[in-house]
Amino acid sequence: DQQVKQNSPSLSVQEGRISILNCDYTNSMFDYFLWYKKYPAEGPTFLISISSIKDKNEDGRFTVFLNKSAKHLSLHIVPSQPGDSAVYFCAASANTGNQFYFGTGTSLTVIP
Amino acid sequence: NAGVMQNPRHLVRRRGQEARLRCSPMKGHSHVYWYRQLPEEGLKFMVYLQKENIIDESGMPKERFSAEFPKEGPSILRIQQVVRGDSAAYFCASSPVGRYEQYFGPGTRLTVT
Repeated sequence: DQQVKQNSPSLSVQEGRISILNCDYTNSMFDYFLWYKKYPAEGPTFLISISSIKDKNEDGRFTVFLNKSAKHLSLHIVPSQPGDSAVYFCAASANTGNQFYFGTGTSLTVIP
Repeated sequence: NAGVMQNPRHLVRRRGQEARLRCSPMKGHSHVYWYRQLPEEGLKFMVYLQKENIIDESGMPKERFSAEFPKEGPSILRIQQVVRGDSAAYFCASSPVGRYEQYFGPGTRLTVT
């Protein structure tokens, strides 16, 4: 049962434009969300997080938006750079434990 | 500050052999997590450990898999009598007390022939 879903397996964006990666979840108990970036043959790298008490968190070019009623979060990257090309995973956790549920990832390609 | 270390990076085992994967968490981190990534899939939680304690092993297969995090030394994920379906990338992550962010190692790619 996939509790965290990333329905777009891939996304291509022109350099300088905005990249929007989406993530949906089904468990209403999830209250902490993270985005990770992963290059081939490497481990995921933590990017940005958001707790359920917020609806937006910003860090440089990265902004995460959370819509609790829709059980949806998104990661915005502005402006997109070629070095952002990687697979992006969203992950969610309920406060009762430290187990994170990961989506299947979206492969972002930023075209120079 | 060194990141999460995993070794070996690549491991080849024949069916029926044992695989031992090691993970050294970041300095100051006392929580360790193991995840498995099958081809074309996301990361699946396996087990969460603190020093000398298994906190949550709900994602571990009931047979052949075990994990430990001793008082001294790295965390070990052990797979006995490996089968071809165990071929995957195994990632270890660590986090400090009181923080949710998990920091991942580079992974061990296990191939069972």
